[in-house]
Amino acid sequence: DTEVTQTPKHLVMGMTNKKSLKCEQHMGHRAMYWYKQKAKKPPELMFVYSYEKLSINESVPSRFSPECPNSSLLNLHLHALQPEDSALYLCASSQELAILRTGELFFGEGSRLTVL
Amino acid sequence: AQRVTQPEKLLSVFKGAPVELKCNYSYSGSPELFWYVQYSRQRLQLLLRHISRESIKGFTADLNKGETSFHLKKPFAQEEDSAMYYCALSGHSGGYQKVTFGIGTKLQVIP
Repeated sequence: DTEVTQTPKHLVMGMTNKKSLKCEQHMGHRAMYWYKQKAKKPPELMFVYSYEKLSINESVPSRFSPECPNSSLLNLHLHALQPEDSALYLCASSQELAILRTGELFFGEGSRLTVL
Repeated sequence: AQRVTQPEKLLSVFKGAPVELKCNYSYSGSPELFWYVQYSRQRLQLLLRHISRESIKGFTADLNKGETSFHLKKPFAQEEDSAMYYCALSGHSGGYQKVTFGIGTKLQVIP
């Protein structure tokens, strides 16, 4: 299995809802990432987990809460979001964070989030 | 800080014509550069990386440190090359390794 799988593909939520985005990979990768991509913009890094520990938080608001239950799973918990948080949320993985210098990011297809 | 600039949001070429997608970067250290591609309804995926010096699907890219550029080239465009292309830089920023993407260039190959 050489894919990163994200669910759901589409999510619509109100500003008071609590929802979660899920990401799974079975490539044995030890680094996993959340990126946010707005329309006509590049993917922007949000969080990085390395060996199931949060390594990087790019000053993301606390209404986004990441979780890495095990080496294959990555969640993004959403609460009290704003309409401007509507975007495509991409999950990615790589063999290790250190190898990122010359290695490859494997992306999921993304979860398109709409906040009403 | 590290930054990637792709000056063209859209590039339209005729089938069989040469293609050059421009990418310039800003980074104080020695960067590693990549091109990622996203075909219609498919996920973002790696096309090629600077360190491998490879040609993938007829595309090549040369790192020019003097001009801080990593332009993507192909001598003869094919219709199946139509896609969104992102230039990316992996560099050490704020104490950790990080990949920064450019805004992307949409390549449209006209039959």
